Amino acid sequence: RKEVEQDPGPFNVPEGATVAFNCTYSNSASQSFFWYRQDCRKEPKLLMSVYSSGNEDGRFTAQLNRASQYISLLIRDSKLSDSATYLCVVLRGGSARQLTFGSGTQLTVLP
Amino acid sequence: DVKVTQSSRYLVKRTGEKVFLECVQDMDHENMFWYRQDPGLGLRLIYFSYDVKMKEKGDIPEGYSVSREKKERFSLILESASTNQTSMYLCASRTTSSYEQYFGPGTRLTVT
Repeated sequence: RKEVEQDPGPFNVPEGATVAFNCTYSNSASQSFFWYRQDCRKEPKLLMSVYSSGNEDGRFTAQLNRASQYISLLIRDSKLSDSATYLCVVLRGGSARQLTFGSGTQLTVLP
Repeated sequence: DVKVTQSSRYLVKRTGEKVFLECVQDMDHENMFWYRQDPGLGLRLIYFSYDVKMKEKGDIPEGYSVSREKKERFSLILESASTNQTSMYLCASRTTSSYEQYFGPGTRLTVT
């Protein structure tokens, strides 16, 4: 089983739609959680951290459910510029303390 | 702005060749990382380094080695390139106090 699992998509949504991505992680000792964004043929960049109480950054909302080992990202009022691959990222617990990346969910926002 | 640069964007090498991929960061970050990215598999950690001359194996170190002689530079070495090492290679760096990683633009390596 992969440490971090995501639905690969692709998700094709019209401009203005609300879209949600989910991610599950297998290691209950994982400590911190992030969403990264990767544009086509570009490097990944941090989109936002995910906090236990849930957090919002403009049109983006991230949620964490530790009991179910589940992370989500909600994008409201999708823009064409949101088209990208969204990577779920988990910080391993214990002495390793390295980031583990999901394989990503591809989003295309259509005009 | 943090800048991470990689020596080549595209590289084509023959099976058995020794390959050097270089990464330089300009923000005095202690930690540096090498990943490979393949479709459906995501980013997988090859090696990382916490400090100069320090190196640690990641999840897939076989067939690779690294060198960190200076804080700003982290090199990935393929001792004898094989076709299954055809991939996108991404370098990243971060400080010790943050888990935000800054990535270079990547090197697409093709081994024929």
